[in-house]
Amino acid sequence: QVQLQESGPGLVKPSETLSLTCAVSGYPISRGYYWGWIRQPPGKELEWIANIYHDGRTYYNASLKSRVIISVDTSKNQFSLRLTSVTAADTAVYYCARLRSSSWYVDYWGQGTLVTVSS
Amino acid sequence: QSALTQPASVSGSPGQSITISCTGTNSDVGGYNYVSWYQQHPGKAPKLMIYDVSNRPSGVSDRFSGSKSGSTASLTVSGLQAEDEADYYCSSYASSTALVFGGGTKLTVL
Repeated sequence: QVQLQESGPGLVKPSETLSLTCAVSGYPISRGYYWGWIRQPPGKELEWIANIYHDGRTYYNASLKSRVIISVDTSKNQFSLRLTSVTAADTAVYYCARLRSSSWYVDYWGQGTLVTVSS
Repeated sequence: QSALTQPASVSGSPGQSITISCTGTNSDVGGYNYVSWYQQHPGKAPKLMIYDVSNRPSGVSDRFSGSKSGSTASLTVSGLQAEDEADYYCSSYASSTALVFGGGTKLTVL
């Protein structure tokens, strides 16, 4: 059973960097699939942020690319997200996810973690 | 404005069928058979219901079905049940942005 669990601060100050980690259990990241981050502002729709493949290949949402870094640590079976220069508009539930590389659908989601940007 | 257009809400009575549309362009829905649908109950993570336009993952009821015509994909829920009440999101691979979502549709079971 594949499980994903997000962790990181729930409160980040404006202009600072949001950092989240997703611990994966039940499946080795090194075996394949895309691993990604998707967010959902309160009461709003889902927004894809970025994906990474086990070999380090990355894919970014063009609208966020300048502020986002996604990385993977196969030895710890986890991957991470860094979003710089955050504003209130970055307040959202952040989900980590496993995506099929062939057709980009999410077959496993983390439970999500709310990150609030506020001073 | 979302990349993919969905109706804000749909409703139906128990036992009835409803269809949710998802309209994109030739650069996403119309250009690839990579449309997926997700069900999201309040406070929960989304759940995959349909992938690659019309395929159901193991464990998803056959009351859920998907289709596509041109740049519009559709999710049909037949035999509506109270537990189907949720938000539904479509998603598609897109040549310009890789992955795009619709704005979501709230399904109300009357």
